[in-house]
Amino acid sequence: NAGVMQNPRHLVRRRGQEARLRCSPVKGHSHVYWYRQLPEEGLKFMVYLQKENIIDESGMPKERFSAEFPKEGPSILRIQQVVRGDSAAYFCASSPGQAYGYTFGSGTRLTVV
Amino acid sequence: GENVGLHLPTLSVQEGDNSIINCAYSNSASDYFIWYKQESGKGPQFIIDIRSNMDKRQGQRVTVLLNKTVKHLSLQIAATQPGDSAVYFCAEPSSPNTGNQFYFGTGTSLTVIP
Repeated sequence: NAGVMQNPRHLVRRRGQEARLRCSPVKGHSHVYWYRQLPEEGLKFMVYLQKENIIDESGMPKERFSAEFPKEGPSILRIQQVVRGDSAAYFCASSPGQAYGYTFGSGTRLTVV
Repeated sequence: GENVGLHLPTLSVQEGDNSIINCAYSNSASDYFIWYKQESGKGPQFIIDIRSNMDKRQGQRVTVLLNKTVKHLSLQIAATQPGDSAVYFCAEPSSPNTGNQFYFGTGTSLTVIP
């Protein structure tokens, strides 16, 4: 009975490279959320997706960041041309619907060097 | 800006004592609140939630109190144990909300002293 699976757990990228973060929701959950957490700060909403649809990307920077949740496979958060300010923990959460609380994954810790 | 905030960033308690973690929110229309626990290196873990039609909700060793008059939440942990050491976040639905997004406060770091 796996929870939300995120990989990789740790990711190091040089400035200018691309980062791809993967999230497999709880089986049966069709709602996926991505949050970013800077050191010693709370979680900031980035994007909300349902299968094949982006519902709300208001928390995601307009440039360099994109997200998808295809019909088959995990949700992907993609960061192009990473900069040092992108270094953070990125958490994915899933829920079975809008009226439910989240189940979070363990996060991907991105370090840009 | 932030809709939720916490009164104290850190809290230290003796093992066996009760802990109280406070949270203020600014959106009087918020109707649902969640407390999460985040241990070092892990993702947030759901602890307990409460809807605005309630003043109090109890779980196993935890109680959440909601005071809508002053827009204040508290999380009480009874007989605090070393395993309770973590950062605790309160969260409320963001506004506007297209579906289940939440604002998280900065968090309170709880340290349990054996």
